[in-house]
Amino acid sequence: EPEVTQTPSHQVTQMGQEVILRCVPISNHLYFYWYRQILGQKVEFLVSFYNNEISEKSEIFDDQFSVERPDGSNFTLKIRSTKLEDSAMYFCASSELQQATQYFGPGTRLLVL
Amino acid sequence: AQSVTQPDIHITVSEGASLELRCNYSYGATPYLFWYVQSPGQGLQLLLKYFSGDTLVQGIKGFEAEFKRSQSSFNLRKPSVHWSDAAEYFCAVGTSGTYKYIFGTGTRLKVLA
Repeated sequence: EPEVTQTPSHQVTQMGQEVILRCVPISNHLYFYWYRQILGQKVEFLVSFYNNEISEKSEIFDDQFSVERPDGSNFTLKIRSTKLEDSAMYFCASSELQQATQYFGPGTRLLVL
Repeated sequence: AQSVTQPDIHITVSEGASLELRCNYSYGATPYLFWYVQSPGQGLQLLLKYFSGDTLVQGIKGFEAEFKRSQSSFNLRKPSVHWSDAAEYFCAVGTSGTYKYIFGTGTRLKVLA
């Protein structure tokens, strides 16, 4: 069964450093998403991406964040200058259609020191 | 404002007992409803979903959920719990006109042998 994959599974970085989180969505899916889950809190929507542009973003997704689909298979989330409060599990998801089910990857646990 | 409530933060049941996890939502439009399960250190696995039609939906691992519009609820049930069902369960809601899912705070299930 096709799956969303994410790399790395864990990343530790220093405050102020840039990080790039990578995702490979399910191959025939057209809509891509990033969510995050701060430890002990609920899963929160960050951004959705379709047709090479952001289709929706939350208030969390400020100028420090960016997304890109650099090639036909990868989908990335970049945090330009990490803060301590960016420490969280970041989930990538994809869906075939806008109103279709979103399938989530295993997540990248980011720790900012 | 749109919201999803899972009233029970923790639930403990004995193996073989029945289970019901509650989910209530507040949405102006017709919702799409989902239950995801997250095992420790793992990603979000889809258990079941409701878009339209029969309000009783069957999912994987023997789970089912019933959409009750009058109660704004989408409770998850299982007739006989197995030790491997111990995990955190998230209710999520989407709707037309938006790409994002809104998640509940989760219910952590503990299963006693």
